[in-house]
Amino acid sequence: DAEITQSPRHKITETGRQVTLACHQTWNHNNMFWYRQDLGHGLRLIHYSYGVQDTNKGEVSDGYSVSRSNTEDLPLTLESAASSQTSVYFCASSEGNTQYFGPGTRLTVL
Amino acid sequence: AQSVTQLGSHVSVSEGALVLLRCNYSSSVPPYLFWYVQYPNQGLQLLLKYTSAATLVKGINGFEAEFKKSETSFHLTKPSAHMSDAAEYFCAVSDPLSGSARQLTFGSGTQLTVLP
Repeated sequence: DAEITQSPRHKITETGRQVTLACHQTWNHNNMFWYRQDLGHGLRLIHYSYGVQDTNKGEVSDGYSVSRSNTEDLPLTLESAASSQTSVYFCASSEGNTQYFGPGTRLTVL
Repeated sequence: AQSVTQLGSHVSVSEGALVLLRCNYSSSVPPYLFWYVQYPNQGLQLLLKYTSAATLVKGINGFEAEFKKSETSFHLTKPSAHMSDAAEYFCAVSDPLSGSARQLTFGSGTQLTVLP
């Protein structure tokens, strides 16, 4: 069955370190998204991609970057982790109007 | 730009009682609307969606929602709550006519507790 996976599921890092969160989907979807989930805010869009070599900034993109070198993967990089980036991160993919979500990565920045 | 408001961050119901989770949207055009459910330590799962066909939409696990343009609402209901319905529920909206039609804007979520 097609699926979307995220790794790692849990990560603890220190302020200032670079961190990369992986997202891999086997749906062959063109559209991929990264969100962060924080209490009281729901999900907020960080970055998104509508195809290979296409990346766009979302609502809360400061301090994050993405790259899309193939259809299956959209890694999210925190250039210099900050405590404010402690959150749960979700990746999603879609073809059309329905998004399918990964299981999430819980990131703690100390 | 569209937005979604979920009234009530926490809702408690007794097992067997009606579940009503409220969602109001703001959009300049008829939107697409979605309800997602999130169980603890899991990702979001689509419950149902409205994409301009029938205004009463049936989803999984016995949930349904009705699109009411006059009230700008898309409330989620289930006639009889089950313990397994305890989860967080998110309403989301997209604008099908914009260049960002594929993007979703989420509400802040409603935590549903089901009491025995």
